[in-house]
Amino acid sequence: DSGVTQTPKHLITATGQRVTLRCSPRSGDLSVYWYQQSLDQGLQFLIQYYNGEERAKGNILERFSAQQFPDLHSELNLSSLELGDSALYFCASSVTPQNSPLHFGNGTRLTVT
Amino acid sequence: KNEVEQSPQNLTAQEGEFITINCSYSVGISALHWLQQHPGGGIVSLFMLSSGKKKHGRLIATINIQEKHSSLHITASHPRDSAVYICAVYPNTDKLIFGTGTRLQVFP
Repeated sequence: DSGVTQTPKHLITATGQRVTLRCSPRSGDLSVYWYQQSLDQGLQFLIQYYNGEERAKGNILERFSAQQFPDLHSELNLSSLELGDSALYFCASSVTPQNSPLHFGNGTRLTVT
Repeated sequence: KNEVEQSPQNLTAQEGEFITINCSYSVGISALHWLQQHPGGGIVSLFMLSSGKKKHGRLIATINIQEKHSSLHITASHPRDSAVYICAVYPNTDKLIFGTGTRLQVFP
């Protein structure tokens, strides 16, 4: 058990809808990362927060947004969903950015129909 | 060309064999991770390296910063080692770049 909790595990929704994915980091970890894994693109970095502040942004679409709350949990909001957004979305956490081990959640499998 | 290349893409082995998975990268890095993704989808971090060599049980990871190359070795492989192994690097930023993974199947 990594200590990182992601909810929900599965999500099925229709095109055009909006969903929110939630992540609770491992106790003591201040950094939270979001990654997308699709069949054709592999794992891609989306965004990172450190102690409530956005620290780095990757290939995150404008339709997607995220935040980290004072209790350090994070939410990833996906809106105007398209079929191509179907993927596994992983959250990971670490004590500090870059040079500390990563702990991954079990992922949220999003299916857009 | 991807900034992180792994080889081989697919690997099959008999139980007990010594396995090597290679990772080459083209950028300067601050750290490299080896990850294991099980068939169910969950990802486990195996190692984080910035220099030298690390060992955990039957797994050994090495990195050569000058040659921009890392290897993951599995000694006495077992069917439960069957998974996708992913190399990922921090290119002196917080944006982790992933390799495409090596799918390993170990048969009894």
